[in-house]
Amino acid sequence: AQSVTQPDIHITVSEGASLELRCNYSYGATPYLFWYVQSPGQGLQLLLKYFSGDTLVQGIKGFEAEFKRSQSSFNLRKPSVHWSDAAEYFCAVASYTGRRALTFGSGTRLQVQP
Amino acid sequence: EAGVAQSPRYKIIEKRQSVAFWCNPISGHATLYWYQQILGQGPKLLIQFQNNGVVDDSQLPKDRFSAERLKGVDSTLKIQPAKLEDSAVYLCASSHTTGIPNEQFFGPGTRLTVL
Repeated sequence: AQSVTQPDIHITVSEGASLELRCNYSYGATPYLFWYVQSPGQGLQLLLKYFSGDTLVQGIKGFEAEFKRSQSSFNLRKPSVHWSDAAEYFCAVASYTGRRALTFGSGTRLQVQP
Repeated sequence: EAGVAQSPRYKIIEKRQSVAFWCNPISGHATLYWYQQILGQGPKLLIQFQNNGVVDDSQLPKDRFSAERLKGVDSTLKIQPAKLEDSAVYLCASSHTTGIPNEQFFGPGTRLTVL
């Protein structure tokens, strides 16, 4: 069964600092990988996705993520955080076939200090 | 393009009462999902529809939860009777069947509080 681990429950960074959110997945084959962001009272918004090809993917709002098969990781990065980035971030994995529904990690809450 | 619509946005009920949630997916999206998100956790799939057929309901507590998607468009999720542990946000999502696989678009969710 596929699973996702986000080891950091809560991260605080200063505005303008760089950010890296960790995500490790467990899946038997090459997975589909996603990062979603959820602001308070909002639904989930897709930041970026990896299906195949270039292992460094660019997303919206200046985010990027790198797929590392050897480490089963898909970490999210941003070079300079803005106060508006404060939110909950979820990593998710999906299979190529079958149900194709997303399996989410437990999320990382990001706080941004002025 | 209109997004996924859900109603109501908030609902407060007593335990053992029943409740229903409604979802209208993005036009043309054949696949519809219902997720349950308990506070402090990631969303968990309850049920997945392909058009009006169920693809996966293995994690749906069928003794109290039911869902339908008549005519392959709108969907309703019902809980009867509700328990305290059903307090959560219920998210609806939809996706194309073909094209970019599994890019799911989420609605704003319904926050359920069971007292």
